Amino acid sequence: SAVISQKPSRDICQRGTSLTIQCQVDSQVTMMFWYRQQPGQSLTLIATANQGSEATYESGFVIDKFPISRPNLTFSTLTVSNMSPEDSSIYLCSVTLHDNEQFFGPGTRLTVL
Amino acid sequence: AQSVTQLGSHVSVSEGALVLLRCNYSSSVPPYLFWYVQYPNQGLQLLLKYTTGATLVKGINGFEAEFKKSETSFHLTKPSAHMSDAAEYFCAVSPYNTDKLIFGTGTRLQVFP
Repeated sequence: SAVISQKPSRDICQRGTSLTIQCQVDSQVTMMFWYRQQPGQSLTLIATANQGSEATYESGFVIDKFPISRPNLTFSTLTVSNMSPEDSSIYLCSVTLHDNEQFFGPGTRLTVL
Repeated sequence: AQSVTQLGSHVSVSEGALVLLRCNYSSSVPPYLFWYVQYPNQGLQLLLKYTTGATLVKGINGFEAEFKKSETSFHLTKPSAHMSDAAEYFCAVSPYNTDKLIFGTGTRLQVFP
């Protein structure tokens, strides 16, 4: 298994500002994922982040809005840029180990006013 | 495109009753299949997974699921519900030859005394 931590656990932000969310894993992993879970909704994949390459974004998500860094095999950041109230969600990172099994962080609860 | 359908956004059972949460997927090639549970204000926890082999899979907390290729289903069951089982349950598939997870819309399980 993997132990994943996220910072911050929650935040309240003003519209137009940006927030960077950190994800730390206790072991080296090749692939990390960032998801969004809007209130009362399921999880939607934002992007896949591999160390040493550009993140791959899913349809509907763009790098200018959600820039991602992956400087090493245990760490990644997701920035939510130029926020609006529609960005209020829980943001979760995950890592995949064997058999595509993903382990999730506790999430970052973001509220945009 | 791959999709996951969870029939019933809310399921209510009495304590001690059978729990049945339904999940169907669309895929011509059997994917990897997962059930995750999300307790209030927490991240996702893996309940069980199917990759290959035995079609009846046992997970944590007394849950099990059966992969039925002919029905493209992976329903989650538990013989006797406990109050602590109240949570949101997500079915997910990992399509063949990818590392991504595609989530269903979730089913909220309520357990009444």
